[in-house]
Amino acid sequence: AQSVSQHNHHVILSEAASLELGCNYSYGGTVNLFWYVQYPGQHLQLLLKYFSGDPLVKGIKGFEAEFIKSKFSFNLRKPSVQWSDTAEYFCAVNLAGGSYIPTFGRGTSLIVHP
Amino acid sequence: NAGVTQTPKFQVLKTGQSMTLQCAQDMNHNSMYWYRQDPGMGLRLIYYSASEGTTDKGEVPNGYNVSRLNKREFSLRLESAAPSQTSVYFCASSISYEQYFGPGTRLTVT
Repeated sequence: AQSVSQHNHHVILSEAASLELGCNYSYGGTVNLFWYVQYPGQHLQLLLKYFSGDPLVKGIKGFEAEFIKSKFSFNLRKPSVQWSDTAEYFCAVNLAGGSYIPTFGRGTSLIVHP
Repeated sequence: NAGVTQTPKFQVLKTGQSMTLQCAQDMNHNSMYWYRQDPGMGLRLIYYSASEGTTDKGEVPNGYNVSRLNKREFSLRLESAAPSQTSVYFCASSISYEQYFGPGTRLTVT
């Protein structure tokens, strides 16, 4: 069965620390990859996406993610977090050319202390 | 351009009561979805509609029904609410692989 794993359920950082959130998937075939963010009290919004091409993807607010096909991973990174990055982060995957329905990971709650 | 809208924002129900959650999108998207979000469980798909006139079960459909009223609107109905349905419900739409989410409905069943 297709699955998406986010290994860090809760992450607590101080401002200016570096961030890396893990995402691994088990899918056969070519995949589309997403990171969504949910700020407190708000709805999910797209942070970045990868369909093809350069495996290093830049998103909004200084976030980036790297697709490593051999490791089935799509980790999210930010060199220096801010208090405003406090949010829940969801990795999502679907099969390229297949259904539009993604499989979501369980989410990582990030708290950034000022 | 409001995107995806949901009503109500908050609702408290007693066990056994029924209610309908409304969702509408103004982006001319073909596909619409209903998810529930529970702590530590991420997002779980309840039902989806790939196009107007079609609906299909997702991962957790029991206790719910849906109606794709037209291309814009996709409603979720709880016929007899149970405490296990206490959750935050998100509607989403898509025209391709990227999903656009509504603001959510926080439902408590007592």
